[in-house]
Amino acid sequence: QVQLQESGPGLVKPSETLSLTCTVSGGSISSYYWSWIRQPAGKGLEWIGRIYTSGSTNYNPSLKSRVTMSVDTSKNQFSLKLSSVTAADTAVYYCAREPVAYYFDYWGQGTLVTVSS
Amino acid sequence: SYVLTQPPSVSVAPGKTARITCGGNNIGSKSVHWYQQKPGQAPVLVIYYDSDRPSGIPERFSGSNSGNTATLTISRVEAGDEADYYCQVWDSSSDLVVFGGGTKLTVL
Repeated sequence: QVQLQESGPGLVKPSETLSLTCTVSGGSISSYYWSWIRQPAGKGLEWIGRIYTSGSTNYNPSLKSRVTMSVDTSKNQFSLKLSSVTAADTAVYYCAREPVAYYFDYWGQGTLVTVSS
Repeated sequence: SYVLTQPPSVSVAPGKTARITCGGNNIGSKSVHWYQQKPGQAPVLVIYYDSDRPSGIPERFSGSNSGNTATLTISRVEAGDEADYYCQVWDSSSDLVVFGGGTKLTVL
């Protein structure tokens, strides 16, 4: 059974960079797309972007200028960096596996990131 | 950008049928996916490609998609089905994954 686990700081200061890692277990990271999705408290889901194991990326245009994703196949991990954060970036961040056709079949449990000084 | 519209809430009595709609311009030409999210938990895929069920999802969950509306149907609703439900598509014109705003299903 594939499992995903997000990790990273739960508190980030305004204007700094949010950094999260997703570790995949129970299966290979290769040959799939991997996405980050976030959800502010009490609100809906927002797709941040995806990375393929080759390193190619697609980002949500609304966040593109601040987002960087990377993948480390040797560690079965992929990562998210979101720069210049504000309180509006406070949310639960999920990592998810994306089979070829743009839906998400496995999700991490989510990690709450709060932006506050 | 592409917009998906869901009713904020749907209520249904146990044993009855719940229908949750997802509206979008010519959504019938897109593949629609549905997720169930219970409080404090990650979303779970319940329908993909309009009407396919992942393994482990009860047959009570079904989906359809035509014209400007996709529908998630839950038959013989149980108390455990109470959750938020989100529809999702990929908008090829903007290469963007789009989620609906979510529908809270309440089992009376």
